Amino acid sequence: AQTVTQSQPEMSVQEAETVTLSCTYDTSESDYYLFWYKQPPSRQMILVIRQEAYKQQNATENRFSVNFQKAAKSFSLKISDSQLGDAAMYFCAYRSKNTGNQFYFGTGTSLTVIP
Amino acid sequence: DTAVSQTPKYLVTQMGNDKSIKCEQNLGHDTMYWYKQDSKKFLKIMFSYNNKELIINETVPNRFSPKSPDKAHLNLHINSLELGDSAVYFCASSQDTQYFGPGTRLTVL
Repeated sequence: AQTVTQSQPEMSVQEAETVTLSCTYDTSESDYYLFWYKQPPSRQMILVIRQEAYKQQNATENRFSVNFQKAAKSFSLKISDSQLGDAAMYFCAYRSKNTGNQFYFGTGTSLTVIP
Repeated sequence: DTAVSQTPKYLVTQMGNDKSIKCEQNLGHDTMYWYKQDSKKFLKIMFSYNNKELIINETVPNRFSPKSPDKAHLNLHINSLELGDSAVYFCASSQDTQYFGPGTRLTVL
């Protein structure tokens, strides 16, 4: 089974600064999806950003962008101009395009935003 | 225009009781899931259905039984509740991207 590793259990960032959350994954496949989800204290799981492995261009959604390094199997999330509302648990996830519908989640990174 | 909904959002019950959590999606997705999130926030897949057919059944006690009456619904029934079942349970659905319901916080006393 694929594994997804988030090596930073906790991170903090000053408001308005930039922070990068790390994610690595293990797979032998060439085509797949990668995702970042945000879980604020309300506990709702919110899709932040999605990347398809065959696309070389890094995905961007407003202040959120990814650094996708396919050869290194790395998929980090950069949050620019951090806001208090960005404080949440962030989960990285992997899904194969070819071998079924299972999603593999990392253990999460808890992000604190300091005013 | 809720995409994935689940009820109830909170469930408090006594040990030994039987309870159900309902889930519905209006996204037209083929696949639905149940996850358990423990106090450390780990997300663990429990079940997955594709077009009403069970495709993922992780190591879950057989007290947990999913039921999919149609493609848009996946309910979770739990028999003989135990203290260790206390957690947040998420329903989700997907085509390529997975979308989650709001979660059900189950507390077993």
